[in-house]
Amino acid sequence: NAGVMQNPRHLVRRRGQEARLRCSPMKGHSHVYWYRQLPEEGLKFMVYLQKENIIDESGMPKERFSAEFPKEGPSILRIQQVVRGDSAAYFCASSLQGRDDNEQFFGPGTRLTVL
Amino acid sequence: RKEVEQDPGPFNVPEGATVAFNCTYSNSASQSFFWYRQDCRKEPKLLMSVYSSGNEDGRFTAQLNRASQYISLLIRDSKLSDSATYLCVVKPSNTGKLIFGQGTTLQVKP
Repeated sequence: NAGVMQNPRHLVRRRGQEARLRCSPMKGHSHVYWYRQLPEEGLKFMVYLQKENIIDESGMPKERFSAEFPKEGPSILRIQQVVRGDSAAYFCASSLQGRDDNEQFFGPGTRLTVL
Repeated sequence: RKEVEQDPGPFNVPEGATVAFNCTYSNSASQSFFWYRQDCRKEPKLLMSVYSSGNEDGRFTAQLNRASQYISLLIRDSKLSDSATYLCVVKPSNTGKLIFGQGTTLQVKP
């Protein structure tokens, strides 16, 4: 049973370009979470999605960032007009349900570098 | 004030030592508590959940004090393979998000 998959693992963009990060949850999981880890910092929650719905986007920057989890296919985190401060590791996690006692399993992350 | 605070360390200990990490959280509505482990440039992995009654998993013991909003992790008989960053994590009730501390780095030396 494959774990959470993320691609690409490394992504390099120039300032002003768009970055698209993909996340395929574990089989059977319908809850997806995105976290960002800036260099030398802890992980920060960005957004929580369930199939076709955004449940909580309280951690998303107001501009340039968006996320979706369509009925078919992976979850996508999109960053438009990237800036150097967007350089970070972006981790996706999934869980079977959204209840408190449900473990979130993390993918290997996408490391975004903005030149 | 950060929602979850940890001493970043690093803690440098010899093999076989006992080491303790502490963590405090600010949101009294927090419902669930965890310790995750993160190896360099890898994804976090769940080490153990933390319960009010305290719980043990082999060489690892976790404690929660809700009144003091304080969580601890004790590692006995440290191994070289325990070298990693340990993340204190809380989950407020009725929310899906995990709130991570900055992490405490442990380096076990031979």
